[in-house]
Amino acid sequence: QVQLQESGPGLVKPSQTLSLTCTVSGGSISSGGYYWSWIRQHPGKGLEWIGYIYYSGTTFYNPALKNRLAMSVDTSKNQFSVKLTSVTAADTAVYYCARAGGYCSGDSCYSRVWFDPWGQGTLVTVSS
Amino acid sequence: EIVLTQSPGTLSLSPGERATLSCRASQTVSSTFLTWYQHKPGQAPRLLIYGVSSRATGIPDRFSGSGSGTDFTLTISRLEPEDFAVYYCQQYVSSRYFFGQGTKLEI
Repeated sequence: QVQLQESGPGLVKPSQTLSLTCTVSGGSISSGGYYWSWIRQHPGKGLEWIGYIYYSGTTFYNPALKNRLAMSVDTSKNQFSVKLTSVTAADTAVYYCARAGGYCSGDSCYSRVWFDPWGQGTLVTVSS
Repeated sequence: EIVLTQSPGTLSLSPGERATLSCRASQTVSSTFLTWYQHKPGQAPRLLIYGVSSRATGIPDRFSGSGSGTDFTLTISRLEPEDFAVYYCQQYVSSRYFFGQGTKLEI
């Protein structure tokens, strides 16, 4: 089955760029139909969607973060990545990558509805 | 922007009991895009329910979802020890995703 694994530095200095990569195994990121996403969870808080990217490179970002955000995909490595610039302590969180998919009901099909599977998550701390 | 409010914040029950978790939206939302997840510490969140009431692959039938409009419910009919976790609801609206703050189901 498809599995996702996040990787990247666990500590980033304020004002620098947070960079994470998600490696997909058990399936091809280029197979289509799925959107590859980033979600984060601040300590003791709920979940916040960051954005998603399609294998073609099409992206859609959370408006609250889009000015600092860039996502990319490397189909040859079956990976996708996120960069968040000018980080502050407020960006300290567990970062998850996840696959967004959908379903069909009757004659209608809906994409990007749910997230499954998710990676285990990686804690990124912003501190000097 | 949609705000999803989950209640209660913490639910204390025993194995074998019935759990009822609520998710209330700040405005009317589509049932098509209402999803529930289970999250255990140190693990990846797990998809439980999508489209308000459809169970994801491999999810036991003791999990069920219902609701419409602004009020949605996740019900676990008979709690098993492995069901104690945090549960999140999620809504997809206009290419954005909104999550509730979670309900912690504890023994």
